[in-house]
Amino acid sequence: EAGVAQSPRYKIIEKRQSVAFWCNPISGHATLYWYQQILGQGPKLLIQFQNNGVVDDSQLPKDRFSAERLKGVDSTLKIQPAKLEDSAVYLCASSIGQGVAFFGQGTRLTVV
Amino acid sequence: GENVEQHPSTLSVQEGDSAVIKCTYSDSASNYFPWYKQELGKGPQLIIDIRSNVGEKKDQRIAVTLNKTAKHFSLHITETQPEDSAVYFCAVASGSARQLTFGSGTQLTVLP
Repeated sequence: EAGVAQSPRYKIIEKRQSVAFWCNPISGHATLYWYQQILGQGPKLLIQFQNNGVVDDSQLPKDRFSAERLKGVDSTLKIQPAKLEDSAVYLCASSIGQGVAFFGQGTRLTVV
Repeated sequence: GENVEQHPSTLSVQEGDSAVIKCTYSDSASNYFPWYKQELGKGPQLIIDIRSNVGEKKDQRIAVTLNKTAKHFSLHITETQPEDSAVYFCAVASGSARQLTFGSGTQLTVLP
């Protein structure tokens, strides 16, 4: 069974630029999560989707972050404009309903 | 919101010894307690989980114990091996949304 796929693996951008991350969840997983993991910390939830609807985006900085999940499968997370403090690993996870969450390898973002 | 504290932040053990990592949580409604292992450059991988109606769960060399009254749970790894070296995260979830709140992580080093 293929796991959660994320791309790119690494991205370096200058502050105030925009960036987008892509996630393809495990086939059949209706629930998709985006987490932010700052170096040395545990992952922090940004947004949760159920199919193509948002379940919770209360911790998403909506002035600069946006996310969508068209057709209830793939998802993209965008940051515009990026700040230095956005440097982190962005993890995508998926699950069958409220079951075990499986994580992708993440995208490491460096903002300079 | 939920607050999860994890101790210790670093742990070194000799190969063959046991390792114990402890977490406490604040929300008494929490009902799902997974443990994840994260190797360098990879996403978190579930190693064991426990639900609130169970006090202990074991899977080969790994066990988790839960004390709901005291609101703490622990990960026990016996007969440690060098390949157990990684960062371990506890997490807590409650309700139907199953959003995970992570601890700050424990860097486990198994010395040969």
